[in-house]
Amino acid sequence: QQNVQQSPESLIVPEGARTSLNCTFSDSASQYFWWYRQHSGKAPKALMSIFSNGEKEEGRFTIHLNKASLHFSLHIRDSQPSDSALYLCAVSHRGSALGRLHFGAGTQLIVIP
Amino acid sequence: GALVYQYPRRTICKSGTSMRMECQAVGFQATSVAWYRQSPQKTFELIALSTVNSAIKYEQNFTQEKFPISHPNLSFSSMTVLNAYLEDRGLYLCGARETGGGTLYFGEGSRLIVV
Repeated sequence: QQNVQQSPESLIVPEGARTSLNCTFSDSASQYFWWYRQHSGKAPKALMSIFSNGEKEEGRFTIHLNKASLHFSLHIRDSQPSDSALYLCAVSHRGSALGRLHFGAGTQLIVIP
Repeated sequence: GALVYQYPRRTICKSGTSMRMECQAVGFQATSVAWYRQSPQKTFELIALSTVNSAIKYEQNFTQEKFPISHPNLSFSSMTVLNAYLEDRGLYLCGARETGGGTLYFGEGSRLIVV
């Protein structure tokens, strides 16, 4: 059974800071890696995904994946108060409709103006 | 755009009674639907994955007898929590994907409060 862990559990940063969120997984056969963001009282929404080792950047957000170390991370450049949310990482074996996506418990990010 | 609606948003039920929750996909065909529970203890657990034309797959610690799921068509799914007790409290989230799609679209959840 896949075990997905996130750290830290919560994080408070000032506006403009660079923020790093971590995710580890247990199954080395995992192939698909996602970050979701959940604002308070709202549905989780997919933020970014990565399927091969390395980095992927989209705007202020960068994912870094290292399959050998069973670790991937999300980095936020120039953090904004609107980035305040619960960040959830998710892992699956397959990206198709048949893939079971396992989530971590989340990192609660608060960005202070 | 792809939207997922869940209802009811919140239910308070007596210990030992049951609660049914529904999930409606709008703007896409929900080939597979995954049900999750986000608990007060800060876990985000996969309960089961339902794919059209395939058997529903339940995760360890979750059973069909306790969490029966129906997925009759490409836009609707429902799940019931039978004989709910305190440990069943939490936010039940429905996530749906279309064929070949990787992104899971979530509803805002059905919150179960057991008293």
